Amino acid sequence: AQTVTQSQPEMSVQEAETVTLSCTYDTSESDYYLFWYKQPPSRQMILVIRQEAYKQQNATENRFSVNFQKAAKSFSLKISDSQLGDAAMYFCAVSGGGSNYKLTFGKGTLLTVNP
Amino acid sequence: GAVVSQHPSWVICKSGTSVKIECRSLDFQATTMFWYRQFPKQSLMLMATSNEGSKATYEQGVEKDKFLINHASLTLSTLTVTSAHPEDSSFYICSAWIAGGLGLRMMEYFGPGTRLTVL
Repeated sequence: AQTVTQSQPEMSVQEAETVTLSCTYDTSESDYYLFWYKQPPSRQMILVIRQEAYKQQNATENRFSVNFQKAAKSFSLKISDSQLGDAAMYFCAVSGGGSNYKLTFGKGTLLTVNP
Repeated sequence: GAVVSQHPSWVICKSGTSVKIECRSLDFQATTMFWYRQFPKQSLMLMATSNEGSKATYEQGVEKDKFLINHASLTLSTLTVTSAHPEDSSFYICSAWIAGGLGLRMMEYFGPGTRLTVL
């Protein structure tokens, strides 16, 4: 079984500032993956960043980085130099690997970027 | 990058009718496709896993006789909402999954979604 908890229904950030979105998870899988997805008003799901649980190094993708704390089952997303285009709903998700792949999403965090 | 399409992008139907939604992987073969449902201001909920050439696996609480899934080819999966009712109105999203290996990363590619409104 998998669960994902996003405790911040809404967040706001000033343009060019940094914001961190929180996520905790639980899974019975030993091999699993963690994801952050962005869903803009178009509702197209866009992969922001992924982390393989077996990797200790935190994933980074340009302005997006994660703080992966495996023992604490925490997977937060940091957005640096926030841009107006970053405004969207952000979903944290967990999945098992291989044949156990199946995404479970958190409830999401609505991010507003203020100019 | 990989592209997944859905058709139609939106549909309005009368209560009691059936609606078919198509999900296609345009430039790759997907042995596994997923179907999700998203209510307004809510998260995505997995409805079923569609495997090419075999019966779909439905999540607990999803009526398999109401939501018929067919994955007849490696590039096409269909979701048919049978005898639709207003409570079936939702945003339906499909995705195609690549298992990875041989230099490829495991990836799930999402379609743009289909908005279903049942009157």
